[in-house]
Amino acid sequence: GAGVSQSPRYKVAKRGQDVALRCDPISGHVSLFWYQQALGQGPEFLTYFQNEAQLDKSGLPSDRFFAERPEGSVSTLKIQRTQQEDSAVYLCASSLNSGWNEQYFGPGTRLTVT
Amino acid sequence: GESVGLHLPTLSVQEGDNSIINCAYSNSASDYFIWYKQESGKGPQFIIDIRSNMDKRQGQRVTVLLNKTVKHLSLQIAATQPGDSAVYFCAENMEYGNKLVFGAGTILRVKS
Repeated sequence: GAGVSQSPRYKVAKRGQDVALRCDPISGHVSLFWYQQALGQGPEFLTYFQNEAQLDKSGLPSDRFFAERPEGSVSTLKIQRTQQEDSAVYLCASSLNSGWNEQYFGPGTRLTVT
Repeated sequence: GESVGLHLPTLSVQEGDNSIINCAYSNSASDYFIWYKQESGKGPQFIIDIRSNMDKRQGQRVTVLLNKTVKHLSLQIAATQPGDSAVYFCAENMEYGNKLVFGAGTILRVKS
């Protein structure tokens, strides 16, 4: 079956532009997570959804970052007025349900802000 | 492709040897731990997990050891192969059903 997919795989944005990153989780997975991975570092948590409910957004670095999952499946991470420090790989993961379940990661979107 | 981890500690092993990758975790209350493998240009891939009520778990060619006393996790890979070359991250689940907190990562290089 299909895994987690993300699009676009690569995005170059000029500073100040808005971007939208898409995540298609594994079908039927209840939980969805967004992580940010800077070069040379491990992924860092951004936000978490259970179905359409955003239960934790404590990792979002500023109010320029916004995530949604309106129908409990596809999720979009939006970054407004991008800054150079936003350059990173944005990873999406999904898991079947809450609890000690394996999180399956997508390939990520590499965002470069110039 | 561009390396995932340019400034991470590196472990170099000869093909066929066993590898041991270590990780110190931060929260004594964490109750679930996972090892992930990440190849360049890809997302992290699940290797093996362990719950805090266990101290050892074995998979195919891999073993995870958990020492809660010193908050230490290790991943042992038997008969390391060139395809094992990647960055390895440990991760801990600090809240039930919630986010993972990742360690810094270790680069594993396998020499043929």
